[in-house]
Amino acid sequence: NAGVMQNPRHLVRRRGQEARLRCSPMKGHSHVYWYRQLPEEGLKFMVYLQKENIIDESGMPKERFSAEFPKEGPSILRIQQVVRGDSAAYFCASSRRTGEGNTEAFFGQGTRLTVV
Amino acid sequence: AQSVTQLDSQVPVFEEAPVELRCNYSSSVSVYLFWYVQYPNQGLQLLLKYLSGSTLVESINGFEAEFNKSQTSFHLRKPSVHISDTAEYFCAVNDYKLSFGAGTTVTVRA
Repeated sequence: NAGVMQNPRHLVRRRGQEARLRCSPMKGHSHVYWYRQLPEEGLKFMVYLQKENIIDESGMPKERFSAEFPKEGPSILRIQQVVRGDSAAYFCASSRRTGEGNTEAFFGQGTRLTVV
Repeated sequence: AQSVTQLDSQVPVFEEAPVELRCNYSSSVSVYLFWYVQYPNQGLQLLLKYLSGSTLVESINGFEAEFNKSQTSFHLRKPSVHISDTAEYFCAVNDYKLSFGAGTTVTVRA
């Protein structure tokens, strides 16, 4: 059973370009989280998705950022017109939901975005 | 609403000494509690979790944490650390979404 897979591991974009980050959750997991981590800072929650549904996007910037988790395929975090301040490590985590609520989340290795 | 507070951002400690990392949370509903560890340039790995039952939970590498409902705390402890325990440790709370504290960097010195 493969873990959470994120790709690419490293992504370099020029200012103004688009960045697409992919996350394939663990088998059987229907919930995905995206977090952003900056140097010397903790994990900042961005968005929480279920298949075909955004549950909580309170941590997402209002502009340029979007996320989806389609019925088929990976979850995508999309950043349009990237700026240098978007440079960070982006982590995806997945979990399954039981009758008692959410179980623990399992993390991918992250995508390190560098905007030049 | 929920929040997680890790009271120490940096904890230097000598090898074979004990360590305690403090975590307090606030939530209006029942929660599940976790500690994750992050080694340099890697993702987060689950260290241990509290879902229900015994308030003292243990990991396979000697860490333990105790859920204290009255103090809304979930402090992490290890009686004797190794150099390899140098990492960043995150406390997390999950009622309907997973929220993290700011992290505690543990540096173990010989």
